Amino acid sequence: GQQLNQSPQSMFIQEGEDVSMNCTSSSIFNTWLWYKQDPGEGPVLLIALYKAGELTSNGRLTAQFGITRKDSFLNISASIPSDVGIYFCAGQLLGQAGTALIFGKGTTLSVSS
Amino acid sequence: NAGVTQTPKFQVLKTGQSMTLQCAQDMNHEYMSWYRQDPGMGLRLIHYSVGAGITDQGEVPNGYNVSRSTTEDFPLRLLSAAPSQTSVYFCASSLIGVGNTIYFGEGSWLTVV
Repeated sequence: GQQLNQSPQSMFIQEGEDVSMNCTSSSIFNTWLWYKQDPGEGPVLLIALYKAGELTSNGRLTAQFGITRKDSFLNISASIPSDVGIYFCAGQLLGQAGTALIFGKGTTLSVSS
Repeated sequence: NAGVTQTPKFQVLKTGQSMTLQCAQDMNHEYMSWYRQDPGMGLRLIHYSVGAGITDQGEVPNGYNVSRSTTEDFPLRLLSAAPSQTSVYFCASSLIGVGNTIYFGEGSWLTVV
């Protein structure tokens, strides 16, 4: 089945630093999504990307849909303590019934103040 | 997480017991799905449904049954619980089609002893 390789697995940074994480796949996706999960909560959508090459921002977050449609990255600028959590990438395949997503294994972000 | 309700939030089962995790959404979404989340594994699709009366298997369906008798409800049944089914379970729903936002429930923490 399809797999997403998400890296890094974890990050420990200082408040104010920038963060970058990425996902790669052997399959082509038509949509890339980035989610954040806080402890004890379900994933919450951060950014959705629908076109190859698309660069989208949401506040301090910026994500890009790779030209090859097999990768995506998420950047967080000027990190703050509330950025702590697990970040997941997810890909969606064209033609698949409904909107079943394939998830990466997550990047755990820790921010020290 | 507005609109997707999961119950129970916490459950402890003995090996061999059966139980049902309930999921309901009030957004008239055609698509509903169940994921399990294990440490370091991301979210893996168990079963999904594209409408009432229609269900299909995801990545890890063994040991789980689902049914979709109404648009609103999508229960997940464990007929004979096993310790390997100890996990956090998330229900999700969306409108059909690429580009529609997927909404997650808050999760159900299941421990099988």
